[in-house]
Amino acid sequence: GAGVSQSPSNKVTEKGKDVELRCDPISGHTALYWYRQSLGQGLEFLIYFQGNSAPDKSGLPSDRFSAERTGGSVSTLTIQRTQQEDSAVYLCASSLGQGKAEAFFGQGTRLTVV
Amino acid sequence: AQSVAQPEDQVNVAEGNPLTVKCTYSVSGNPYLFWYVQYPNRGLQFLLKYITGDNLVKGSYGFEAEFNKSQTSFHLKKPSALVSDSALYFCAVTPRDSGAGSYQLTFGKGTKLSVIP
Repeated sequence: GAGVSQSPSNKVTEKGKDVELRCDPISGHTALYWYRQSLGQGLEFLIYFQGNSAPDKSGLPSDRFSAERTGGSVSTLTIQRTQQEDSAVYLCASSLGQGKAEAFFGQGTRLTVV
Repeated sequence: AQSVAQPEDQVNVAEGNPLTVKCTYSVSGNPYLFWYVQYPNRGLQFLLKYITGDNLVKGSYGFEAEFNKSQTSFHLKKPSALVSDSALYFCAVTPRDSGAGSYQLTFGKGTKLSVIP
């Protein structure tokens, strides 16, 4: 596709349920990032994938959060046993990698935990 | 650990006046620096970046930014503000030389720019 695609665009879930958020990066982009943006807050780094290297998971807030990237392309962010504080917009971005390339962002998934 | 500080939560400027949005950073070694803009209900868009060379970089919509290594700053500027520039602006940094192989892109908390007609 022409840009980074995220699905769903909106997700409402009950507390304690698991959710999966999907990111389809720009074709050929080797780097993929996940961020969380809470209302009125900045972008909180979650996880970074670069090619076949081990992902940088240093931003994941708890072991309820995990992410995978299959075949170096599509990525899924999974949140288990969701809590109300997980409510936020989850943003995915991709880039050509190696740091100096700008990242292109998707429109995000707005997650609401009720 | 790398970090970005945007000391102003909000900047107000009159239309036609010059604007500055401040950013300072902390990173191990040399940085790659970026500015992004987020318009209401829209995704983040890339504005400009500093990689190497000329300390003054020019980007989209007439914006520019100056890299100052001694002050570890990368302030965003525009000579004449437009009402349509009103948005949320984010500064970001990643290390140029990542020994650990991670080019984690770290963002500041953002600065809301309001241009007053």
